[in-house]
Amino acid sequence: DAGVTQSPTHLIKTRGQQVTLRCSPISGHKSVSWYQQVLGQGPQFIFQYYEKEERGRGNFPDRFSARQFPNYSSELNVNALLLGDSALYLCASRDRPFSWLPSPLHFGNGTRLTVT
Amino acid sequence: KNEVEQSPQNLTAQEGEFITINCSYSVGISALHWLQQHPGGGIVSLFMLSSGKKKHGRLIATINIQEKHSSLHITASHPRDSAVYICAVTVGQGAQKLVFGQGTRLTINP
Repeated sequence: DAGVTQSPTHLIKTRGQQVTLRCSPISGHKSVSWYQQVLGQGPQFIFQYYEKEERGRGNFPDRFSARQFPNYSSELNVNALLLGDSALYLCASRDRPFSWLPSPLHFGNGTRLTVT
Repeated sequence: KNEVEQSPQNLTAQEGEFITINCSYSVGISALHWLQQHPGGGIVSLFMLSSGKKKHGRLIATINIQEKHSSLHITASHPRDSAVYICAVTVGQGAQKLVFGQGTRLTINP
């Protein structure tokens, strides 16, 4: 079975531009969450989606948005890019939302975004 | 102060040594995760704990809910164990989120 897949793997954008990152969860997983990891730091939670509804949001500005599609894949959109948005963006899937009994997270390999 | 603190931040050891990485948290949690991140970024989930102790091969994870503390142990360490180990906790009621520690960079020398 395929794991969590993210695309693209690398991306270079200019300040002020917009970017869309994509994530396909493991088959059967309905929960997708997004994380930002700046170099040298631990990841930070951005969003959780379950059954196409937002179930949690971290401390990120409104420039960050996401959505989940009927096939449970997800997109993370970042508008008006800043230099500080340069990071590894990770997606994880699980078979249930965080609020249910805990279950393991399965991470993708991430999209490395560079903003110049 | 971060809600999740790991120690040490960096750890270098010789092959075969017993390794301990600690994680303390200051909030109520429903679960604690230990994650492994290799160069290049990919993250693998090692353990998910809500109480007690779990073992998988040479890896052991423990959690003490009363003391809000967890440890990850590696027995008979090997250079392939070199990676960043991250502790993360699930917090909140209803709309929950995951809070991460800053990671522990482990280097095992042959």
